[in-house]
Amino acid sequence: QKEVEQDPGPLSVPEGAIVSLNCTYSNSAFQYFMWYRQYSRKGPELLMYTYSSGNKEDGRFTAQVDKSSKYISLFIRDSQPSDSATYLCAMSEGGGGADGLTFGKGTHLIIQP
Amino acid sequence: KAGVTQTPRYLIKTRGQQVTLSCSPISGHRSVSWYQQTPGQGLQFLFEYFSETQRNKGNFPGRFSGRQFSNSRSEMNVSTLELGDSALYLCASSLGTGETQPQHFGDGTRLSIL
Repeated sequence: QKEVEQDPGPLSVPEGAIVSLNCTYSNSAFQYFMWYRQYSRKGPELLMYTYSSGNKEDGRFTAQVDKSSKYISLFIRDSQPSDSATYLCAMSEGGGGADGLTFGKGTHLIIQP
Repeated sequence: KAGVTQTPRYLIKTRGQQVTLSCSPISGHRSVSWYQQTPGQGLQFLFEYFSETQRNKGNFPGRFSGRQFSNSRSEMNVSTLELGDSALYLCASSLGTGETQPQHFGDGTRLSIL
C-alpha cells in the first residue's frame, strides 16, 4: 500500500462546475497538508497549505482535512479552462521544512470550455 | 520577489557521466530541498539542506549527493548516470524554521540520459 493514494484521472468536467479532488494516506503522523498545481513543463505551484484537521478557503479553492479518516480534499468552485492542470497532494509530519514532502502521483484535471 | 531558480533547464548526458544541477532559493529562504519527478514514481524526496547542513535524506543511492553554500544556493550531483536517472529534478525552498513553512518549487531541470 502506497503512503499516499491519488486517482490519476483524467478528470474532465465542464467549465463552471465544482471540482472535487481527493487523496487518502496511511501515515497517521502526517500533520501538514498541501495542494500543488502543476502545469506542463513547469514546477508545482503551492495552492493551499493546512495544518491538522479542518477546512481552509482561499478564493475559489477550499481544502478539507479529515485526519480521523486519513482523507484530504480540494474543491474548486466555478472552474475555468485555466484550471486545467495536474493537481498534487502532499503531506509531511513536520512543517519546518526539514521533513521531505510525501506526494500523491497527481490527478490530471481537464476543464472543458 | 524572484522565485526559485534552477539551472540549466535541460540537460542531455550519457550513461556513466556525472552531472551537477544548481538551485537558487527565494531570497531569505535558508532551506533547500531536492525532489525527483518521474511518470512512474511521481515526486520523490531526495534530500534537504539548511545552513549548509543536510538535515534529511530520502531513499536514494549514494550516487545522489548535494551541498549548500553560505548564501543558501544549493547544488545536486549525480555520479555514474544510469538510464533510470532520466527525470525532472525539482528544487524547493522554504524559510526552514518555525512550524508553518511551505515549500515553493522551481521549474526544474529536465535530465535525459542516452
